[in-house]
Amino acid sequence: GAVVSQHPSRVICKSGTSVKIECRSLDFQATTMFWYRQFPKQSLMLMATSNEGSKATYEQGVEKDKFLINHASLTLSTLTVTSAHPEDSSFYICSATLSRTDSSYEQYFGPGTRLTVT
Amino acid sequence: GQNIDQPTEMTATEGAIVQINCTYQTSGFNGLFWYQQHAGEAPTFLSYNVLDGLEEKGRFSSFLSRSKGYSYLLLKELQMKDSASYLCAFMDSNYQLIWGAGTKLIIKP
Repeated sequence: GAVVSQHPSRVICKSGTSVKIECRSLDFQATTMFWYRQFPKQSLMLMATSNEGSKATYEQGVEKDKFLINHASLTLSTLTVTSAHPEDSSFYICSATLSRTDSSYEQYFGPGTRLTVT
Repeated sequence: GQNIDQPTEMTATEGAIVQINCTYQTSGFNGLFWYQQHAGEAPTFLSYNVLDGLEEKGRFSSFLSRSKGYSYLLLKELQMKDSASYLCAFMDSNYQLIWGAGTKLIIKP
């Protein structure tokens, strides 16, 4: 089956620093990748949709200058949390879309990255 | 090791009841989630169980048995709009989500 990895799985950083999270589709080329964040016992919240070679589309309320997304290839997207603050502490999950020739697609989720800002 | 399993696809009739099962194995457990996802959309949260038992939310109920590594999502009075994929995921001891592959639910009139 299709596998999506994220790195790192956990990160602790100091307030004011930047953190980069990588999302990779390991055995397929992903036309689209999504970035989510999730607070405890709450639903995934879509942050942005990322297409290879183009600018990410951010959801309302998500600061694009704070959450920088780069989708440099069909297998790699990165999310950089700039000038992190404690309120940015959350669980960040990416997913990658696999499009099939019959026009259907499947979305595979990564294992998530837990960010703690101290 | 860790693993999680749910059926790939299920079919049910409008107005009926359907139960989607999810089994998992893990040494550390911090709760089990169910999500609904319509094609082309982000998953939406349905339920979270961390203690054994049944939790009811309107037409949807979720059950958990930690000793059996088993959960189910029960959908009552099925509507056509319930046609979607249903994802179960457990949170392990490192607070990482381990996702099932999803169950595609097809509702027929």
